[in-house]
Amino acid sequence: AQTVTQSQPEMSVQEAETVTLSCTYDTSENNYYLFWYKQPPSRQMILVIRQEAYKQQNATENRFSVNFQKAAKSFSLKISDSQLGDTAMYFCAFMKPQHNNNDMRFGAGTRLTVKP
Amino acid sequence: DVKVTQSSRYLVKRTGEKVFLECVQDMDHENMFWYRQDPGLGLRLIYFSYDVKMKEKGDIPEGYSVSREKKERFSLILESASTNQTSMYLCASSLGGADNQPQHFGDGTRLSIL
Repeated sequence: AQTVTQSQPEMSVQEAETVTLSCTYDTSENNYYLFWYKQPPSRQMILVIRQEAYKQQNATENRFSVNFQKAAKSFSLKISDSQLGDTAMYFCAFMKPQHNNNDMRFGAGTRLTVKP
Repeated sequence: DVKVTQSSRYLVKRTGEKVFLECVQDMDHENMFWYRQDPGLGLRLIYFSYDVKMKEKGDIPEGYSVSREKKERFSLILESASTNQTSMYLCASSLGGADNQPQHFGDGTRLSIL
């Protein structure tokens, strides 16, 4: 079974600074997908960024980027120029694609607070 | 945009009651999921369904059942609610038969069992 570990229950960052959230996972699979989800205080989970394991290039979405280290099974999220609206719970997720069933495994989450 | 709608945002029930949590998605997704979210534990999968009338147990199915009579609707049932089922419940859906399809979530239902 795959497990996902987020070792930082809470983090804080000053507005406009950069913060990195860590995530490690355990799998014997070679092909898989990784995701970061954001859950703001309004509670709806939204997808921030995704990474395919077969791609060496790190995914980037505007101020959000990942550092994917496949050999180390590490998938950290970097948020640049942090904004107050980035305050949220962040969940790292692992997915092993299977036909007709995209089952995901989530970490425990990191609560990020952006301070003015 | 995908819309996943959960029928209630807050729900208070009593121990022993039968509780229904409803979820509807409007994007013709094959896969639907029910999670519970607890502090320090993240999201844990209760049940999922990859087709109408199909269901599969997740990691913590005990005390729960599900129903998927129509493709767009996936119901979570607490047969006899207990206080340890007080939690946030999240429904999600995703496109089936294709890789790399992320799950889309509803707003969640915060359920309290008294």
